[in-house]
Amino acid sequence: AQKVTQAQTEISVVEKEDVTLDCVYETRDTTYYLFWYKQPPSGELVFLIRRNSFDEQNEISGRYSWNFQKSTSSFNFTITASQVVDSAVYFCALSGVISNFGNEKLTFGTGTRLTIIP
Amino acid sequence: DVKVTQSSRYLVKRTGEKVFLECVQDMDHENMFWYRQDPGLGLRLIYFSYDVKMKEKGDIPEGYSVSREKKERFSLILESASTNQTSMYLCASSLNGEQFFGPGTRLTVL
Repeated sequence: AQKVTQAQTEISVVEKEDVTLDCVYETRDTTYYLFWYKQPPSGELVFLIRRNSFDEQNEISGRYSWNFQKSTSSFNFTITASQVVDSAVYFCALSGVISNFGNEKLTFGTGTRLTIIP
Repeated sequence: DVKVTQSSRYLVKRTGEKVFLECVQDMDHENMFWYRQDPGLGLRLIYFSYDVKMKEKGDIPEGYSVSREKKERFSLILESASTNQTSMYLCASSLNGEQFFGPGTRLTVL
């Protein structure tokens, strides 16, 4: 069975501070995908990133960066120089092999509520 | 832009009523999903569909059914709503593993 753990329920930081959101996963699949989604107060989940299990390169996109470490089954997300607009609930998710036959089911973590204090 | 729309943002129903939640996507995606989101539990998959008239149970299908008569539309049905089905319901469609979500329907069952 797949499992995603986001141990941080809520985090508050002052604007411009860096913040890291932790994600630990469990799976028996050798090929899998990891995702991060953002859910702002409006409620709609916004896709941020997808990584496959064979690509352990860290990724940077503007102020966002992701650290994927298979050895510790972690896929952590860092926001540098946080802004008020980053306030949201962030979800980490895991799926098996992507195909057209329904194997794209996502297993979500319970989310981390991030509040950026002006 | 991919657009996933849900029929209502807020819905209030009474115990025992039959409830339909509608989801429409405009990008010809084959896979569609229904989740419910509850505080402290994250998103849990109720049902998904990978083709017209095809459906698969997710992790928490009890008390729900679905219908997919057309590719763009995926309906979630609560045959007899109960108070423990009060929740936020999110629909998604996917292409190559990236799921696109609708705005959600917050359902309250009294």
